[in-house]
Amino acid sequence: QKEVEQDPGPLSVPEGAIVSLNCTYSNSAFQYFMWYRQYSRKGPELLMYTYSSGNKEDGRFTAQVDKSSKYISLFIRDSQPSDSATYLCAMSAGGGATNKLIFGTGTLLAVQP
Amino acid sequence: DAMVIQNPRYQVTQFGKPVTLSCSQTLNHNVMYWYQQKSSQAPKLLFHYYDKDFNNEADTPDNFQSRRPNTSFCFLDIRSPGLGDAAMYLCATSFGTGANTQYFGPGTRLTVL
Repeated sequence: QKEVEQDPGPLSVPEGAIVSLNCTYSNSAFQYFMWYRQYSRKGPELLMYTYSSGNKEDGRFTAQVDKSSKYISLFIRDSQPSDSATYLCAMSAGGGATNKLIFGTGTLLAVQP
Repeated sequence: DAMVIQNPRYQVTQFGKPVTLSCSQTLNHNVMYWYQQKSSQAPKLLFHYYDKDFNNEADTPDNFQSRRPNTSFCFLDIRSPGLGDAAMYLCATSFGTGANTQYFGPGTRLTVL
């Protein structure tokens, strides 16, 4: 079993739809949770960063963490064609001198105009 | 703007011909990472430097080496590229303990003929 599981998609939605992206994980030590957006042939770009459980909102994006269920979500409201990208979840137990991130495989999202 | 820069963006090499990929950063971060990402897969950590201390992942092949001559620069050397080494190579940086935020460069896409 992988430490982090993410549905690879592709997920195709019409412009303006609410998008829900999810990851599950098995390591209960994870306490830092991130979502990265990666456009085709580009490097990942940090989108959202959450510590422990709870919600975090930034504009059209909301990140949720449920540590009891080992489940994290990213919601995109009013989706736009420019949101079309691969979304990678990543998580870390933190601590120590470096921060080893464990990534999901990414979900490919296509927002149709 | 502070950033992570990778050169070249695209690299073509022949089977067995050594190749060097370059990463530089203006963020003044003390940790630098190299990841390998194959199509539709999660980024795979190869190794990282914490300041001058080199940390190799257990499953990174000996064919991959790295150098960090100073804080700003880090190099990935592939001594004898095989067809299976064709991938996107991502450089990332972070600022030490507890930050848990890694900033990625745009990547170098390596093709092996």
